[in-house]
Amino acid sequence: GAGVSQSPSNKVTEKGKDVELRCDPISGHTALYWYRQRLGQGLEFLIYFQGNSAPDKSGLPSDRFSAERTGESVSTLTIQRTQQEDSAVYLCASSLVRYEQYFGPGTRLTVT
Amino acid sequence: KNQVEQSPQSLIILEGKNCTLQCNYTVSPFSNLRWYKQDTGRGPVSLTIMTFSENTKSNGRYTATLDADTKQSSLHITASQLSDSASYICVVIRWGGGNKLTFGTGTQLKVEL
Repeated sequence: GAGVSQSPSNKVTEKGKDVELRCDPISGHTALYWYRQRLGQGLEFLIYFQGNSAPDKSGLPSDRFSAERTGESVSTLTIQRTQQEDSAVYLCASSLVRYEQYFGPGTRLTVT
Repeated sequence: KNQVEQSPQSLIILEGKNCTLQCNYTVSPFSNLRWYKQDTGRGPVSLTIMTFSENTKSNGRYTATLDADTKQSSLHITASQLSDSASYICVVIRWGGGNKLTFGTGTQLKVEL
């Protein structure tokens, strides 16, 4: 594909519901990253995939957050029992290992 | 304390003027430093990547400098254009950190007529 794509672009959900965010990386990129960007704040690292495994999950803020990657391609970030503080833009990036990361447009999540 | 500090937080300049954005970091051991441009509602896009041995790197009207001894970097924008209005983010990668990025909070630049 031309670049990293994410879906949905916007998601509004009620507090307590579960949400799934999807990332399609650039074909052939073995590394995939999830970040969160709260309004007016810098990006926060959430999780890093190398292939289908996640050697670094240190940024996941709570056990309500999980992510998986299949086929060394698409990844989903799942947030269970969403809270208002989960409202943010969730960005995905992909790269060849140790090379420049290419970011997707993000999913704007609003928890009401 | 954030390991990557940027200044100023925001900046307004007139079209055609130059500006310099600052980045100080404490991330160690250092691998490389990147400047990203993030337009509103979009993902960050890389402008420059600098390794330990590089002091300056240019990309069109953007010139980045790096002083690895003082752990400081700057991004200079010349002859600014309206389309330069964006958030500029300094990002540092720690050696052995699996390419995990440590982000600054960004400088919000607005270029006006």
